[in-house]
Amino acid sequence: SQTIHQWPATLVQPVGSPLSLECTVEGTSNPNLYWYRQAAGRGLQLLFYSVGIGQISSEVPQNLSASRPQDRQFILSSKKLLLSDSGFYLCAWSVVFRGPGQEKLFFGSGTQLSVL
Amino acid sequence: AQTVTQSQPEMSVQEAETVTLSCTYDTSESDYYLFWYKQPPSRQMILVIRQEAYKQQNATENRFSVNFQKAAKSFSLKISDSQLGDAAMYFCAYRRHMNYGGSQGNLIFGKGTKLSVKP
Repeated sequence: SQTIHQWPATLVQPVGSPLSLECTVEGTSNPNLYWYRQAAGRGLQLLFYSVGIGQISSEVPQNLSASRPQDRQFILSSKKLLLSDSGFYLCAWSVVFRGPGQEKLFFGSGTQLSVL
Repeated sequence: AQTVTQSQPEMSVQEAETVTLSCTYDTSESDYYLFWYKQPPSRQMILVIRQEAYKQQNATENRFSVNFQKAAKSFSLKISDSQLGDAAMYFCAYRRHMNYGGSQGNLIFGKGTKLSVKP
């Protein structure tokens, strides 16, 4: 069965420090991968998605970047964190099961990032 | 641009009773997908139910069902026989049909409804 691992679960970082959040998927190949952010009291906002190794699309301009060095690995990074980067970050993957439009989206357990 | 509105920040239901969570959306597109996601205290997002806009029949998944009113752009979730484990944040979400382009994972979420279940 497919599983998604995301770590760390919580992270406290000072302003200006770098960031690296990692997400890996097991049990599937060539998944679409996503990074979402959930601000307090809000729904999720898509930050990045990737349809293959080295292919990254950004949905919103920000202080963050993403990379996909391997098929089932997706990394969220920042060179210098801002206070506004605080939030709950969720990795997700999807694969088309039965045809176009029949994909399912699976979420990881998330990382709570606090920038102080 | 598409928007999703959940007008009930919090709802409460007695165990074994039925509760309906409201969701409205705005779009000019004719084909799209609608979802309800559950986020328990663990904060993991769990898909509850999904509706394809071109299907008139309301989706059902065990105790969960939706009332999809396309003309009114309304997509409410009904939870029957509520259980303590149903307590969570519930998010309504919209996704464009692939014919309109964009990422398959680009869900537009509402702000959520916090559901409490009383024993």
